Amino acid sequence: GDSVTQMEGPVTLSEEAFLTINCTYTATGYPSLFWYVQYPGEGLQLLLKATKADDKGSNKGFEATYRKETTSFHLEKGSVQVSDSAVYFCALTPYSSASKIIFGSGTRLSIRP
Amino acid sequence: DTGVSQNPRHKITKRGQNVTFRCDPISEHNRLYWYRQTLGQGPEFLTYFQNEAQLEKSRLLSDRFSAERPKGSFSTLEIQRTEQGDSAMYLCASSFSTGTSGNNEQFFGPGTRLTVL
Repeated sequence: GDSVTQMEGPVTLSEEAFLTINCTYTATGYPSLFWYVQYPGEGLQLLLKATKADDKGSNKGFEATYRKETTSFHLEKGSVQVSDSAVYFCALTPYSSASKIIFGSGTRLSIRP
Repeated sequence: DTGVSQNPRHKITKRGQNVTFRCDPISEHNRLYWYRQTLGQGPEFLTYFQNEAQLEKSRLLSDRFSAERPKGSFSTLEIQRTEQGDSAMYLCASSFSTGTSGNNEQFFGPGTRLTVL
């Protein structure tokens, strides 16, 4: 079945460092891909998405490119801030079904001032 | 606040008791989803409704679990004869969709944390 595998955490970086969180997926057809973020004490929020190959999703300085050839959707940010500390989930929605999101296990990111 | 709301936010119960959670979606959203999230894991899909119809149920949703959305607005999730393994965060999400594509954005509520003693 469809699945998402993402980099295990926790990841700890200094402020202004470059961030990459790896994500790969297994799916039939052409899924839509997402990154969700969960800030401390808050609910899941959509960070960015991409719906077809080579699309780049971006938001709040974060970017991820839908790479069908490598089945990847890595999350990047050029300069992280303390406020980016959160848990990040890579996810997909199967193309054939809008009924569910399949999530990875999450990566906890902590940014040191 | 017009986001997804869930009640209660926390529930502690003893094994064998029944519990019921409520989700109020964003008002114009026709789809409502339930997920379960255990510690250190991503959310796992349980079931979803389009309007009042329950269209899909995960194998995770055992016979002890039942969900309803009687008027196509709020939804309830009931767990009967709770077990310690049911301890988790139960998340509700809603979306608006007119088609079958997987592009509809789901908006999540804050969750109900269940602890079964």
